[in-house]
Amino acid sequence: NAGVMQNPRHLVRRRGQEARLRCSPMKGHSHVYWYRQLPEEGLKFMVYLQKENIIDESGMPKERFSAEFPKEGPSILRIQQVVRGDSAAYFCASSPELKQFFGPGTRLTVL
Amino acid sequence: ILNVEQSPQSLHVQEGDSTNFTCSFPSSNFYALHWYRWETAKSPEALFVMTLNGDEKKKGRISATLNTKEGYSYLYIKGSQPEDSATYLCAFMDAAGNKLTFGGGTRVLVKP
Repeated sequence: NAGVMQNPRHLVRRRGQEARLRCSPMKGHSHVYWYRQLPEEGLKFMVYLQKENIIDESGMPKERFSAEFPKEGPSILRIQQVVRGDSAAYFCASSPELKQFFGPGTRLTVL
Repeated sequence: ILNVEQSPQSLHVQEGDSTNFTCSFPSSNFYALHWYRWETAKSPEALFVMTLNGDEKKKGRISATLNTKEGYSYLYIKGSQPEDSATYLCAFMDAAGNKLTFGGGTRVLVKP
C-alpha cells in the first residue's frame, strides 16, 4: 500500500501565476486534509475534504485558494494569482478515520 | 484560537541517555492527541494517537502518556540513539474530530 503521494515536490511560480498541487491519498482513505507550513512557522490546517465535499475550510485564506477532491483522481489545492507570501511547504494527509498519514509535501516558491 | 505548546523547543541528548518533553493542550473539548516524528525532507510519521485519560502508548524505545484533565502529554525516549534525531510534533484534535492543531515541535538532536 503506497503512502500518500504529492506532486510536484517542488514548484516555482512567478507572481500572478497559478499553482496546482496534487495529493493522492492512501488506498481506501476517503478523508483528505491540507496543511501549510510557512517559513519559520508550524503546520497549520487549511481544509478538510471527503470525496466531492468540502467539510471544513476554516483554515483557507478567503481569496485565491480553493480545494477539491473529485470522485475520481487526486485532491487538488489551487492557488490563483500567487504572491510571494504564498511561498511555503504544503502538506496533504489522508485518513481512514482517526490517524492522519502525511505526504512528503510540495514546496512552493513564488518569485 | 487553540493553544498547543511544546517544550522545550530543542534539546541535545547524549547517545544512550533518556529524555522526555511535553505537549500542553486545551483540557476542554478534547478528542485525541497525536504524536508525530518528523525528519527533514521526509513526511511526518505518525507515532501515536491517544484518546483516553491515563493512556500510555509504546513503540520500541519511545513511549507517551496522556493527561486530558490537566491538558498535557509527555513523550519519552529511552536510551537515545542518533537515529532518534528529529522534530517531534504533537497535535490536538477537538471533539469535531477532524483537523489537527499542531504544536511548534521539539527538535531533538542525539549526539554520538
